[in-house]
Amino acid sequence: SQWGEENLQALSIQEGEDVTMNCSYKTYTTVVQWYRQKSGKGPALIILIRSNEREKRSGRLRATLDTSSQSSSLSITGTLATDTAVYFCATPNNNRIFFGDGTQLVVKP
Amino acid sequence: GGIITQTPKFLIGQEGQKLTLKCQQNFNHDTMYWYRQDSGKGLRLIYYSITENDLQKGDLSEGYDASREKKSSFSLTVTSAQKNEMAVFLCASRTGVGEQYFGPGTRLTVL
Repeated sequence: SQWGEENLQALSIQEGEDVTMNCSYKTYTTVVQWYRQKSGKGPALIILIRSNEREKRSGRLRATLDTSSQSSSLSITGTLATDTAVYFCATPNNNRIFFGDGTQLVVKP
Repeated sequence: GGIITQTPKFLIGQEGQKLTLKCQQNFNHDTMYWYRQDSGKGLRLIYYSITENDLQKGDLSEGYDASREKKSSFSLTVTSAQKNEMAVFLCASRTGVGEQYFGPGTRLTVL
């Protein structure tokens, strides 16, 4: 299927739990971006990891990148209800940015 | 900091109508994008533009036109609104290192 045609994967967890979301990308890239989209808003970049980094941390966020398997993961520790959002991975390529299918994360208080 | 503004926030049209969505950015970014997002799905690229007066088709360009008359603005036209075009249209611009900044979206409903 084309980019963005698949339904979002859905995850529902309790506040305080840790969660990991995975992403496989199709095009060669030297950087993977993770975006978060809250309800009624546009996506916003939350963390970026480069091919020379195996892991990147930012607060409660942790991103990993495995270029050999063309996959990346985003982990959130100690989730809060405010982490409820859709999460996308994205890979820039030339002038385009290719977005993954996305995960709808619901964190219940 | 900069901002991306999209107008209108809500757009209600009639089937067959030509509808125009507008986007303005004050980041001074060269490249701008239009995406469509259907409910419960991801982002699909409609058009993008790498500089003023440039237009590049994305994966979903059929049924749409775009215009980039100024660096700061990028318009999208739905040439003939269809019943199945209820969606959110997101505009974005891009930094030199590839980070995209998005606007809040225009929600289109076709009656």
